[in-house]
Amino acid sequence: GQQLNQSPQSMFIQEGEDVSMNCTSSSIFNTWLWYKQDPGEGPVLLIALYKAGELTSNGRLTAQFGITRKDSFLNISASIPSDVGIYFCAGQSPNSGGSNYKLTFGKGTLLTVNP
Amino acid sequence: ETGVTQTPRHLVMGMTNKKSLKCEQHLGHNAMYWYKQSAKKPLELMFVYNFKEQTENNSVPSRFSPECPNSSHLFLHLHTLQPEDSALYLCASSRGWEETQYFGPGTRLLVL
Repeated sequence: GQQLNQSPQSMFIQEGEDVSMNCTSSSIFNTWLWYKQDPGEGPVLLIALYKAGELTSNGRLTAQFGITRKDSFLNISASIPSDVGIYFCAGQSPNSGGSNYKLTFGKGTLLTVNP
Repeated sequence: ETGVTQTPRHLVMGMTNKKSLKCEQHLGHNAMYWYKQSAKKPLELMFVYNFKEQTENNSVPSRFSPECPNSSHLFLHLHTLQPEDSALYLCASSRGWEETQYFGPGTRLLVL
């Protein structure tokens, strides 16, 4: 099946630093999504990317859909303590048979921000 | 608040118990999903419902039984679970099966 390689697995940074994480795959995706999950909660959608090459910002977050459609990155600028959490990438593509869109998740990047 | 609610938030059950997880979405979406999230593993899709019809069963053991009475409600019935079934069970919904999914807060399940 499809797999996403998300890196890094974890990051420890100081408040105010910029952060970058990425996902790569051997498969093509139609949509790339970035979610954040706080402890004890479900993933919350941060950014959705629908076109190859698309660069989208949401406040201090910026994400890009790779030209090859096989990768995406997420940048967080000027990190703050509330950025702490697990960040997941997800790629969306049609299931075989086209009856559903399958969402494939990365394993997540655990971000810790030291005040 | 994503518009998707799940109850209970925490559940402890023995291997011989029968329990049910409930998901409700207030977004007017037509597709609903169950995922399993275990430590250090990617989210695993379990079931997909589109307009109340099950369109995907991702090789889930029969001790998990989903039910979708209408587009707003989704249940996961549990019986004779195993300790390895302990995980966070997440519900999600989307307007259409091809559109972005929004997640509920999850039910943390512990099977003893």
